[in-house]
Amino acid sequence: DAGVIQSPRHEVTEMGQEVTLRCKPISGHNSLFWYRQTMMRGLELLIYFNNNVPIDDSGMPEDRFSAKMPNASFSTLKIQPSEPRDSAVYFCASTLLGGLAKNEQFFGPGTRLTVL
Amino acid sequence: GEDVEQSLFLSVREGDSSVINCTYTDSSSTYLYWYKQEPGAGLQLLTYIFSNMDMKQDQRLTVLLNKKDKHLSLRIADTQTGDSAIYFCAEAFQTGANNLFFGTGTRLTVIP
Repeated sequence: DAGVIQSPRHEVTEMGQEVTLRCKPISGHNSLFWYRQTMMRGLELLIYFNNNVPIDDSGMPEDRFSAKMPNASFSTLKIQPSEPRDSAVYFCASTLLGGLAKNEQFFGPGTRLTVL
Repeated sequence: GEDVEQSLFLSVREGDSSVINCTYTDSSSTYLYWYKQEPGAGLQLLTYIFSNMDMKQDQRLTVLLNKKDKHLSLRIADTQTGDSAIYFCAEAFQTGANNLFFGTGTRLTVIP
């Protein structure tokens, strides 16, 4: 298995532009998580889905952020409009709900977003 | 709410043992985890312990859990330069929600 796939790996954009981050979870996994990592705030959970349904989006910072999971093999995190303070590394992770009790989450390599 | 805390930095000499500590506030956790993040990469599960265990050993890694004090530690024996990374502790609850609560991460630097 290729693991969790994220694209792009790096994104540089200007303030005000729309940014779309993409994630393909591990095949067979039914829970997907979006995290944001910064030096100041560490690792923050933004939103997670179970069986393509958003369960908890309380970590989404503002209405400028939205996430979708149209099917079991694809999710997007969109920022519109983007701001410099959105600069961070965004991770996607997946796991199997109801699978091995140890609850391991598998992380993608991350997307490093820079908003100028 | 859940609060998982770690010290931010730790430096050790190659060959010495490293001990990374973590404290948490919610005693209803079922599993506790240690994840490792190498530079430029995502987090990877290193080891985990079930909440009814006190200790787990896996090669150079020893996990100690003190439920009374809500304290988790990770000991790395014979620390190598390849162990330099950020280490996160995390906890899970028996809620069926499947999400984890991560600590702030400890950056381990191994000095040759």
